Amino acid sequence: NAGVMQNPRHLVRRRGQEARLRCSPMKGHSHVYWYRQLPEEGLKFMVYLQKENIIDESGMPKERFSAEFPKEGPSILRIQQVVRGDSAAYFCASSPPGGDSNQPQHFGDGTRLSIL
Amino acid sequence: GQQLNQSPQSMFIQEGEDVSMNCTSSSIFNTWLWYKQDPGEGPVLLIALYKAGELTSNGRLTAQFGTTRKDSFLNISASIPSDVGIYFCAGAYTGTASKLTFGTGTRLQVTL
Repeated sequence: NAGVMQNPRHLVRRRGQEARLRCSPMKGHSHVYWYRQLPEEGLKFMVYLQKENIIDESGMPKERFSAEFPKEGPSILRIQQVVRGDSAAYFCASSPPGGDSNQPQHFGDGTRLSIL
Repeated sequence: GQQLNQSPQSMFIQEGEDVSMNCTSSSIFNTWLWYKQDPGEGPVLLIALYKAGELTSNGRLTAQFGTTRKDSFLNISASIPSDVGIYFCAGAYTGTASKLTFGTGTRLQVTL
């Protein structure tokens, strides 16, 4: 399966711990996007990255959240000192290089984060 | 942040019926996308629209990019049980290599 791969699928953390969510884009894709979805709501944009660069982080909370997409390896969304309100489904999407407008974003199956 | 308004919020229909839903925005988008999401899974792309007025079909699905660039419509003909799910519209300002703004979703349930 050459789709967007996210892991883990489910993650449980206690308040104050750190959460690391991973995303491997589709083969040949170099643009990665992270979205958050609360129950019964649509997805909300968090951050857009290309290899080693953050392009748009306008949807990222100012504190505790960070994202990276290194030259090698998956993209990581990191949440430090998690709180109950961080419980949500986090989705990653990817698209090809070059900003080709005929290649829309394709999504992974998400990581469901639960904070105890 | 901005969120697109979708209507209806939910609908119950009988198998074989046609379905229409729409998505409206207070601002202009250059690209409209329609996704379907099943429980526990990520959104799956159904149709992408790139020009105002464009009408595009994918099997029993037909979507239109509104001429004002502020709305889009999705129709499903002859619904079947596997059409059950949540349908989301999404808009992008500068092609699809940019952030997507998602709608509030339309939950579709199909009865036999």
